[in-house]
Amino acid sequence: AQKVTQAQTEISVVEKEDVTLDCVYETRDTTYYLFWYKQPPSGELVFLIRRNSFDEQNEISGRYSWNFQKSTSSFNFTITASQVVDSAVYFCALRAGNNRKLIWGLGTSLAVNP
Amino acid sequence: NAGVTQTPKFQVLKTGQSMTLQCAQDMNHNSMYWYRQDPGMGLRLIYYSASEGTTDKGEVPNGYNVSRLNKREFSLRLESAAPSQTSVYFCASREGTRGRNQPQHFGDGTRLSIL
Repeated sequence: AQKVTQAQTEISVVEKEDVTLDCVYETRDTTYYLFWYKQPPSGELVFLIRRNSFDEQNEISGRYSWNFQKSTSSFNFTITASQVVDSAVYFCALRAGNNRKLIWGLGTSLAVNP
Repeated sequence: NAGVTQTPKFQVLKTGQSMTLQCAQDMNHNSMYWYRQDPGMGLRLIYYSASEGTTDKGEVPNGYNVSRLNKREFSLRLESAAPSQTSVYFCASREGTRGRNQPQHFGDGTRLSIL
């Protein structure tokens, strides 16, 4: 079975705090792809990053970083020095094997308060 | 750069009315998708089209039909709207031929209320 779990339903932090959003996935396929999307209050879904199963290198993009660990089946997302504009719902998703569809987590709602 | 365009952005229907949600992409993508998003339920796939001329059911296809009119357009039809179909509907597209790691790109959504 393929599954994505985002255990944190809601997170609230104060501006400038660091925050990590957890994503745990399940798949028996050895080839798979992981994605993060952001949905700000305006409602659109914005692609943030993808990661292939054979590339465990962590990635940093400005204040955003992603930690992919196959040993724990996790693909966690950290925002450093959070800002109010980071307030959004963040979704983690998985495409595995020959599945043509994305498997979505239920999302984590992040509120960054001034 | 229009990307994925959905029309309308908002719609209110009465129970039993029919409605077609339109989606068009200008990125020459092969695959297109329709999702619905409900509070606490995340994104659920209604239908998808892996390529022009093909459509397949997703998780929640009942009460919907789709048409892949051409490579650019993928419409979603509610034949007889029900209050349970009140939701935000998203269309997405994906390149589809350069590997499974290509992300889906989303439209801005259609907020549909069925009274």
